[in-house]
Amino acid sequence: AQSVAQPEDQVNVAEGNPLTVKCTYSVSGNPYLFWYVQYPNRGLQFLLKYITGDNLVKGSYGFEAEFNKSQTSFHLKKPSALVSDSALYFCAVRDFMDTGRRALTFGSGTRLQVQP
Amino acid sequence: EAGVTQFPSHSVIEKGQTVTLRCDPISGHDNLYWYRRVMGKEIKFLLHFVKESKQDESGMPNNRFLAERTGGTYSTLKVQPAELEDSGVYFCASSHKGDRGGSPLHFGNGTRLTVT
Repeated sequence: AQSVAQPEDQVNVAEGNPLTVKCTYSVSGNPYLFWYVQYPNRGLQFLLKYITGDNLVKGSYGFEAEFNKSQTSFHLKKPSALVSDSALYFCAVRDFMDTGRRALTFGSGTRLQVQP
Repeated sequence: EAGVTQFPSHSVIEKGQTVTLRCDPISGHDNLYWYRRVMGKEIKFLLHFVKESKQDESGMPNNRFLAERTGGTYSTLKVQPAELEDSGVYFCASSHKGDRGGSPLHFGNGTRLTVT
């Protein structure tokens, strides 16, 4: 079984400050990890993914995430937050070894609020 | 390219009625997924089509839900009869052929279903 935990319902940060949105996961094998963002009344948009290779992955809009296998975490980060980054962020995982299950498992989402 | 489109965007029905949601994936995408987000909780997997075949329907909550994908193109999700707990946002997503689980999903804007 695979699962994702996003421990914070909401993260508040001032514009220009660094931001972190936390995610931890659980899979039996090796993980494929994703971050998606949802703006109001829109579908989820892909931000970045980790499949293999460098633990630090860079994605859209200046976001990056760090894969930490020992801590089973994949936290989303950005050095300098923008007001326009305010949205709902979802972490998702798929177990690479589970060939019968292609679907992603999502977390409950974290609302990011960036104050001007 | 046109994105994933879902219809209707909103639906309000009474308990016991029937509702059919439609999803048009990105042209050429063999993989089609249905997900649901209920009352601000995690986005839960419902089922996965590869072309017209159901690859994984382990997330379907009960036999009141019926999904089809005619000719491997668009998909419908029918809820009959609807219950109050079926309220939520239903998302459709697609990805291209040969997806080994590492390809990002492309999401529609969702259908917000309210059962009264």
